[in-house]
Amino acid sequence: ILNVEQSPQSLHVQEGDSTNFTCSFPSSNFYALHWYRWETAKSPEALFVMTLNGDEKKKGRISATLNTKEGYSYLYIKGSQPEDSATYLCAFRSIGSSNTGKLIFGQGTTLQVKP
Amino acid sequence: EAQVTQNPRYLITVTGKKLTVTCSQNMNHEYMSWYRQDPGLGLRQIYYSMNVEVTDKGDVPEGYKVSRKEKRNFPLILESPSPNQTSLYFCASTPDRGSSYNEQFFGPGTRLTVL
Repeated sequence: ILNVEQSPQSLHVQEGDSTNFTCSFPSSNFYALHWYRWETAKSPEALFVMTLNGDEKKKGRISATLNTKEGYSYLYIKGSQPEDSATYLCAFRSIGSSNTGKLIFGQGTTLQVKP
Repeated sequence: EAQVTQNPRYLITVTGKKLTVTCSQNMNHEYMSWYRQDPGLGLRQIYYSMNVEVTDKGDVPEGYKVSRKEKRNFPLILESPSPNQTSLYFCASTPDRGSSYNEQFFGPGTRLTVL
């Protein structure tokens, strides 16, 4: 069974703080790693899809790094704002699922940014 | 507007009463999938479909059926719902299951309560 773990489970920060959280995934048979942002009462939306070891992606104040050899990805938020409050999901795709498109999701990290 | 739609958004029903949750996408995507989200667990895949008339079990298929008669529609059927199927359900689609870059597009979710 492939296991994808995210930590911490939840996080409370003050507006303006920078924060980061982790996604751990199997280091073998890596194909792709996805990050999604899920706001309450909305659907998850894709932030990044990462495929290469050492990949770094950035969208505004949010960035992500990828280490496929050790099996982790970090998501960073610089200068958190209340509108960043959401659950951040990562999802792993293995080579074995390259033909099926299947993703294995972590439990998510729920971020609360206080004004 | 490109989107994935689900209906109904909210449903309260009783044990044993058959129900169908519809899912439709207007992006001509090949790959569609159903997930359930439960507290403390990540999104878990119920069933997926790689194309018309091609469906397969995900990680938690028991108690569910699906069909894919047309490319755009992928209904989820609960023949005899039970309380342990109370959950938040998401439908998702992807343009091409083979590409490592393809993110999943999620519907708005259906919150189901089985009494």
